[in-house]
Amino acid sequence: NAGVTQTPKFQVLKTGQSMTLQCAQDMNHNSMYWYRQDPGMGLRLIYYSASEGTTDKGEVPNGYNVSRLNKREFSLRLESAAPSQTSVYFCASSEAGRWYEQYFGPGTRLTVT
Amino acid sequence: AQTVTQSQPEMSVQEAETVTLSCTYDTSESDYYLFWYKQPPSRQMILVIRQEAYKQQNATENRFSVNFQKAAKSFSLKISDSQLGDAAMYFCAYRSAGNNDMRFGAGTRLTVKP
Repeated sequence: NAGVTQTPKFQVLKTGQSMTLQCAQDMNHNSMYWYRQDPGMGLRLIYYSASEGTTDKGEVPNGYNVSRLNKREFSLRLESAAPSQTSVYFCASSEAGRWYEQYFGPGTRLTVT
Repeated sequence: AQTVTQSQPEMSVQEAETVTLSCTYDTSESDYYLFWYKQPPSRQMILVIRQEAYKQQNATENRFSVNFQKAAKSFSLKISDSQLGDAAMYFCAYRSAGNNDMRFGAGTRLTVKP
């Protein structure tokens, strides 16, 4: 039981490049989330998916798109990376009825130069 | 919008002693949840403890307990018998009962001295 996995662990992009961060969970959770963590700040919610087939914006969605590919997988795409998107990105999941308990992945450190 | 404030960027405690981390929040809602998460150097976020706002009794999980003061909008975390493995960043978080948006504080870095 791996929990929540994220790939890649590290990534360096140049301004304007695109990439997709992958997230998968094997706990049969309905809900999945993407956060970013910047120095001196707490995590901020980018997008979430309450269930397969649905996605909603969080606090800081601009510059990102998401896809809930199936129940297990929830990807985050940067279409045209900007230096302001340099951050650590966390994926999380929670089961139906226990949405207050989120399980986090190990994070992806992204640098945009 | 709800905000979460952790006024202590860093705290230090001697092994086996007790330490309290502070958290305040701002909301106009009456139904919500509060959490403390631990983030060790591995960066993975780990749920330490949670509190439902409608419960008057303070939550406890082994050596971790909270002091929830709803009227004062305060939610502090007490760690008893501190261990070296408790060293980490600790984040306080708030979530409304009505949506999926979790709001986090900026974190407190806890150092445990042997």
